[in-house]
Amino acid sequence: AQSVTQLDSQVPVFEEAPVELRCNYSSSVSVYLFWYVQYPNQGLQLLLKYLSGSTLVKGINGFEAEFNKSQTSFHLRKPSVHISDTAEYFCAVIMNTGFQKLVFGTGTRLLVSP
Amino acid sequence: EAGVAQSPRYKIIEKRQSVAFWCNPISGHATLYWYQQILGQGPKLLIQFQNNGVVDDSQLPKDRFSAERLKGVDSTLKIQPAKLEDSAVYLCASSLDLGAGANVLTFGAGSRLTVL
Repeated sequence: AQSVTQLDSQVPVFEEAPVELRCNYSSSVSVYLFWYVQYPNQGLQLLLKYLSGSTLVKGINGFEAEFNKSQTSFHLRKPSVHISDTAEYFCAVIMNTGFQKLVFGTGTRLLVSP
Repeated sequence: EAGVAQSPRYKIIEKRQSVAFWCNPISGHATLYWYQQILGQGPKLLIQFQNNGVVDDSQLPKDRFSAERLKGVDSTLKIQPAKLEDSAVYLCASSLDLGAGANVLTFGAGSRLTVL
């Protein structure tokens, strides 16, 4: 069974500092990987996705993520965060076989302070 | 394009009462999903429709939850009777087709249920 682990439930960071949100997955087959962001009282919005090709994926709002097959990771990074980046971030995975179901991690709350 | 519409946004009920949530997906999207997001957890898929047929409902508590998508467009999720542990945000999403890997899910704002 596929699973997604986000080890950090909360990441505090100062404005303009870099940030990395960690995501690891478990799967014996190829996967599609996603990062979603959820602002307070809003639905989930896609930040970026990895389907195939280049392992470095760039998304909206200056975020990027790198797919590392050997470490089964898909960490999200941003070189300089803004107050407005404060939100919940979810990593998600689909196994590329048979029925494709999107499975989410437990989320990481990014808290950006001035 | 218009997004995924959900209503009501908020609902408070007593345990053992019933509640229904409505979702209207993006026009032309064949696949519709209902997710349950309990506070502090990631969203969990309850049911997935392809047009008006059920693709996966393996995690739907069928003794109390039901969902339908009769005309392959909008959908209703019902809970009867509600339990305290059903307090959550119910997210509806849609995508163009199956194979959600390439067809990205678009989510609605969610319906927040509080069961007292």
